[in-house]
Amino acid sequence: AQSVTQLDSHVSVSEGTPVLLRCNYSSSYSPSLFWYVQHPNKGLQLLLKYTSAATLVKGINGFEAEFKKSETSFHLTKPSAHMSDAAEYFCVVATVSGGSYIPTFGRGTSLIVHP
Amino acid sequence: GAVVSQHPSRVICKSGTSVKIECRSLDFQATTMFWYRQFPKQSLMLMATSNEGSKATYEQGVEKDKFLINHASLTLSTLTVTSAHPEDSSFYICSARDRDLGDYGYTFGSGTRLTVV
Repeated sequence: AQSVTQLDSHVSVSEGTPVLLRCNYSSSYSPSLFWYVQHPNKGLQLLLKYTSAATLVKGINGFEAEFKKSETSFHLTKPSAHMSDAAEYFCVVATVSGGSYIPTFGRGTSLIVHP
Repeated sequence: GAVVSQHPSRVICKSGTSVKIECRSLDFQATTMFWYRQFPKQSLMLMATSNEGSKATYEQGVEKDKFLINHASLTLSTLTVTSAHPEDSSFYICSARDRDLGDYGYTFGSGTRLTVV
């Protein structure tokens, strides 16, 4: 079985300050991990993905995430928030489940950016 | 990069009618297609998984006779909401797995907002 927990439903930051969105996962097998962003009334856009290569993964728009197996975490960070970063962020884990590779979504974290 | 084209982006239909949502993989072959449903301010819930040429596998609690999924080719999957009711109003998103990229190649459609009146 696999699951993913996004520890914060909302994160509020000021423009120009660092962003940290937390994600913990559980999986019986080596997982693939993803972060997606969803702007209001839009589809999902892939930010970055971890696929058992480098543990520090760099994505688009200045985001990066570090895979820490000992902590079963895959937190998303950005050094300096921009107003356009305000959106919903989903952490996704994908491992074998019932013979198929199925992505499981976290509940999402809403990032609010103040001027 | 890989693109999944999902249509329509928005649809309003009357109660009792059926609505078809299409997802096409552009420039890659999708061996597996996932269909998700998203309620307002909630995460995506997997409805069903379909493999090309096979019957879809539905998650517990999802009515297979109401949500018909067809995955007849490696580039096209459809979800038909039959006899739609207001409670079916939701945001539906498909995700395709690229045959060549395997487990690492998930691409999402842009979603369909269904409103049943």
